[in-house]
Amino acid sequence: GQQVMQIPQYQHVQEGEDFTTYCNSSTTLSNIQWYKQRPGGHPVFLIQLVKSGEVKKQKRLTFQFGEAKKNSSLHITATQTTDVGTYFCARSRRDSNYQLIWGAGTKLIIKP
Amino acid sequence: KAGVTQTPRYLIKTRGQQVTLSCSPISGHRSVSWYQQTPGQGLQFLFEYFSETQRNKGNFPGRFSGRQFSNSRSEMNVSTLELGDSALYLCASSPEGDNTDTQYFGPGTRLTVL
Repeated sequence: GQQVMQIPQYQHVQEGEDFTTYCNSSTTLSNIQWYKQRPGGHPVFLIQLVKSGEVKKQKRLTFQFGEAKKNSSLHITATQTTDVGTYFCARSRRDSNYQLIWGAGTKLIIKP
Repeated sequence: KAGVTQTPRYLIKTRGQQVTLSCSPISGHRSVSWYQQTPGQGLQFLFEYFSETQRNKGNFPGRFSGRQFSNSRSEMNVSTLELGDSALYLCASSPEGDNTDTQYFGPGTRLTVL
């Protein structure tokens, strides 16, 4: 019930193609957060979504929170080499005994 | 504000030894969480401390322990190291209030057990 399913595990794209990762929960989320971890780096906070149906943009990144607040997506338009890394979602600690629950991550790989 | 710092950055130990890792949170943050990350794996939650109390604990054996000091700095200890403990250990601090879910990570300590 508390888990967050994140898919796909990997996505290989040509530079310039789009990329999308999805997070799904069986229960309603108070909020959802997205993080990016570059190869060899540490996770860095990108954004928090709170409202039902919320859509936020950061340059080529578009974050959506579902109307039912049970799913979320991160879409990158026209990927660049700087987008390479693993993208994680995380559900609020308020929803799960004060423990932040993380998705397994989606690794974005740019084909050479 | 200075970010989260972790020391040491790299560590090599042998099986059976113990290790202590240190984390200094962002000034004003009282919550500190620890994670283990192995290659290709996600973030495995170890424990969280808030105001010197362990508030939550993940599914790790008792060899993994931690503590937090009155200045919010935190340490984690792994006793009787095993080869499988080789990993990146990340510490993250969080503010209070509406943004309490936001985790600010340190650069991590990369532990190698030989």
